[in-house]
Amino acid sequence: QSALTQPASVSGSPGQSITISCTGTSSDVGGYNYVSWYQQHPGKAPKLMIYEVSNRPSGVSNRFSGSKSGNTASLTISGLQAEDEADYYCSSYTSSSTLGVFGGGTKLTVL
Amino acid sequence: EVQLVESGGVVVQPGGSLRLSCAASGFTFDDYAMHWVRQAPGKGLEWVSLISWDGGSTYYADSVKGRFTISRDNSKNSLYLQMNSLRAEDTALYYCAGQNMVRGASWFDPWGQGTLVTVSS
Repeated sequence: QSALTQPASVSGSPGQSITISCTGTSSDVGGYNYVSWYQQHPGKAPKLMIYEVSNRPSGVSNRFSGSKSGNTASLTISGLQAEDEADYYCSSYTSSSTLGVFGGGTKLTVL
Repeated sequence: EVQLVESGGVVVQPGGSLRLSCAASGFTFDDYAMHWVRQAPGKGLEWVSLISWDGGSTYYADSVKGRFTISRDNSKNSLYLQMNSLRAEDTALYYCAGQNMVRGASWFDPWGQGTLVTVSS
């Protein structure tokens, strides 16, 4: 199974905004509004941050937002804070034999 | 409090077998399809297997098909993963995660804290 494509790393300074991309195909990201994003701090379990492309679960800061254009989804974090430093993974429903697919993950560094 | 707690991870020799468990509490377990997701040391997340809310349908990643079996016991609010013919590349932290079918969810939430499986001689 092929993973969704994410940049290996991104960085930004406190207060800035960053965007993490997640590129798939028309069989996954582009074909459905079923993209979700997860935050994972070292040694911790993943935490749901965005579901169905752009929806935030209760308790997640409104500094986190999601969008999609064609086969690429994006996670934007505005007003970067030190606590945002973590790994971020996208996931999408896929019509292929693999029912769940993740991106390779992006390490966010807050400078 | 919504909680998933995995157990059963140990060091096992190549070719060996292992059964992981995931105990759910704080939510209606049979409202959820359940997944196993794994993460090899220093690597990303890999979806492993899915079981429907009633256990009637199961799905597997190609990498584990024919070797792993997912099951659940809704009377015990528990999820299981029987792992046979283990390989070194199965070494990973194994997470269980829920998918709320009542909400028509396409996302994984909640997640457990994971249980570590190490395949080594």
